[in-house]
Amino acid sequence: QPVLTQPPSSSASPGESARLTCTLPSDINVGSHNIYWYQQKPGSPPRYLLYYYSDSDKGQGSGVPSRFSGSKDSSANTGILLISGLQAEDEAEYYCFIWPNNVGVFGGGTKLTVL
Amino acid sequence: EVQLVESGGVVVQPGGSLRLSCAASGFTFDDFSMHWVRQAPGKGLEWVSLITWDGGTTYYTDSVKGRFTISRDNSKNSLSLQMNSLRVEDSALYYCARGSVEYQMLFDCWGQGTLVTVSS
Repeated sequence: QPVLTQPPSSSASPGESARLTCTLPSDINVGSHNIYWYQQKPGSPPRYLLYYYSDSDKGQGSGVPSRFSGSKDSSANTGILLISGLQAEDEAEYYCFIWPNNVGVFGGGTKLTVL
Repeated sequence: EVQLVESGGVVVQPGGSLRLSCAASGFTFDDFSMHWVRQAPGKGLEWVSLITWDGGTTYYTDSVKGRFTISRDNSKNSLSLQMNSLRVEDSALYYCARGSVEYQMLFDCWGQGTLVTVSS
């Protein structure tokens, strides 16, 4: 099954922005898939944040601040989660997810540290 | 309040069987697809299985095909996962999750999970 590549860790200071990436394998076109993003804090189940297909087809989870946004870099076959105005509470593990060929695939997760 | 409560996780020997359950409340259960997602201790998330609202279609990740069976009882607002021929690598916290109305592979509600440990 396909592998979605996420950097294991990322860090940024409060107030800064964090750009988390999710790279799809070369045989899966990022432009053809919704990219779903989840946040998980220790001891809790994941929380749905948002999905991104295009600027005209995207969605935000209930109660998720607008400083969380999604995008794609087609040249790198990558989905992107951008968190602006970082807050201490954003420190968590972040997972991307896609649904190619009737099988769900999560990325390995990125642990975001707010310095 | 939308709620999903998993149960059935225990310690089981390799080769054994186990049935997990997920009790749903606070929403019209048969309007939604349902999923199982697992997480091994200290590891990332792994999607396991999907069942559509009517139970008519199911999908599985390759590593559990032929061993796990997802099912649902809409009259009881209940989701199940029958796990046979269990392996050590099946040890994980198993979450049930609801697929959203808009996209059935968007998990908009999660339970707290039930822990399965496969060990001799």
